[in-house]
Amino acid sequence: KAGVTQTPRYLIKTRGQQVTLSCSPISGHRSVSWYQQTPGQGLQFLFEYFSETQRNKGNFPGRFSGRQFSNSRSEMNVSTLELGDSALYLCASSLGRAGGGYGYTFGSGTRLTVV
Amino acid sequence: SQQGEEDPQALSIQEGENATMNCSYKTSINNLQWYRQNSGRGLVHLILIRSNEREKHSGRLRVTLDTSKKSSSLLITASRAADTASYFCATDGTGGGNKLTFGTGTQLKVEL
Repeated sequence: KAGVTQTPRYLIKTRGQQVTLSCSPISGHRSVSWYQQTPGQGLQFLFEYFSETQRNKGNFPGRFSGRQFSNSRSEMNVSTLELGDSALYLCASSLGRAGGGYGYTFGSGTRLTVV
Repeated sequence: SQQGEEDPQALSIQEGENATMNCSYKTSINNLQWYRQNSGRGLVHLILIRSNEREKHSGRLRVTLDTSKKSSSLLITASRAADTASYFCATDGTGGGNKLTFGTGTQLKVEL
């Protein structure tokens, strides 16, 4: 069974540019969540998608957006990049939503560096 | 913001010893989960304990949950060098909208 696939693994962008990160969940998983991990702030929740609908959004500016497709694949977009957006972006998939007692399977992450 | 805080922040032990990590959280929960992260990689799900459970075992892992104190502990018995990693607790607060909120993590180093 294939795991959660995140692409690309590494990305270097310039301030002001935009970036799109992709996540392919485990087959059959309908929930996809995104997290930003930095040494200073730890793991911060970005979004949760379930059945193509955004169900939750973390405390991030509107420059951060995402979507989920009918095959459960998800993308997140960050526009007008800032130096502070440099982080490891992690995607996690699960059969159902967290409150239902489902564990998350994480991808290896996309390491974004903004210069 | 972090829902949970792990204690200690860092722990260094010898191979064969037991490692105990604690997690405190702020709001009522449906369940609590523990994850492991090897340096700069994705997180791996270790164990889930529901709010109506007090203790759960999985191999060398033992998790306890005290909802009255809003705290949990993870015990790794007979630690191995391969257990070196960061360990996070995660909760889905009942008022938190079905999302997992992660704690600050404990960095465990198991030395030979």
